[in-house]
Amino acid sequence: EAGVAQSPRYKIIEKRQSVAFWCNPISGHATLYWYQQILGQGPKLLIQFQNNGVVDDSQLPKDRFSAERLKGVDSTLKIQPAKLEDSAVYLCASSFHARYEQYFGPGTRLTVT
Amino acid sequence: AQSVTQPDIHITVSEGASLELRCNYSYGATPYLFWYVQSPGQGLQLLLKYFSGDTLVQGIKGFEAEFKRSQSSFNLRKPSVHWSDAAEYFCAVGANGNKLVFGAGTILRVKS
Repeated sequence: EAGVAQSPRYKIIEKRQSVAFWCNPISGHATLYWYQQILGQGPKLLIQFQNNGVVDDSQLPKDRFSAERLKGVDSTLKIQPAKLEDSAVYLCASSFHARYEQYFGPGTRLTVT
Repeated sequence: AQSVTQPDIHITVSEGASLELRCNYSYGATPYLFWYVQSPGQGLQLLLKYFSGDTLVQGIKGFEAEFKRSQSSFNLRKPSVHWSDAAEYFCAVGANGNKLVFGAGTILRVKS
């Protein structure tokens, strides 16, 4: 069974530029999550989708971050404009349904200079 | 709100020695508890989970964890550590529709 796929794996941008990350969850998983992991910290949930609807985006900085999950499968996370403090690893995870264990992708390491 | 504390930022053990990583959580109801491991440049891999039932949970790679409600703890153990176990370990509590809250992690170093 294929795992959660993410691209790109690494990205370096300058502040005020925009960037987008892509995630393809495990086939059949209805719930998709985006986490931000700053160096030295545990992952923090940014947004949770159930199919193509948003369940929780309470910690998403909506003035600069946006996410969508069209057709309830793939998802993209966008940052516009980026700030230095956005440097982090962005992890995508999926689960069969909420209340089931989550499976994580390899992450995208973003460096904002 | 739920929270997780991992008191040890770094732990160093000798290969073949036993290991215990500590995790304390705060949550008002019965928690779902998880341990994940993260190797450098990799995503998180699930080691084990506790949803209900037997408080001693067995996981992959020879790990186990014990849920102690009275102490609000979910410590991870392994009887004999291998060099390949060197990684960062995260404890997490799930609630409110499986939103996971993670601890800050414990970095395990294994010396030969």
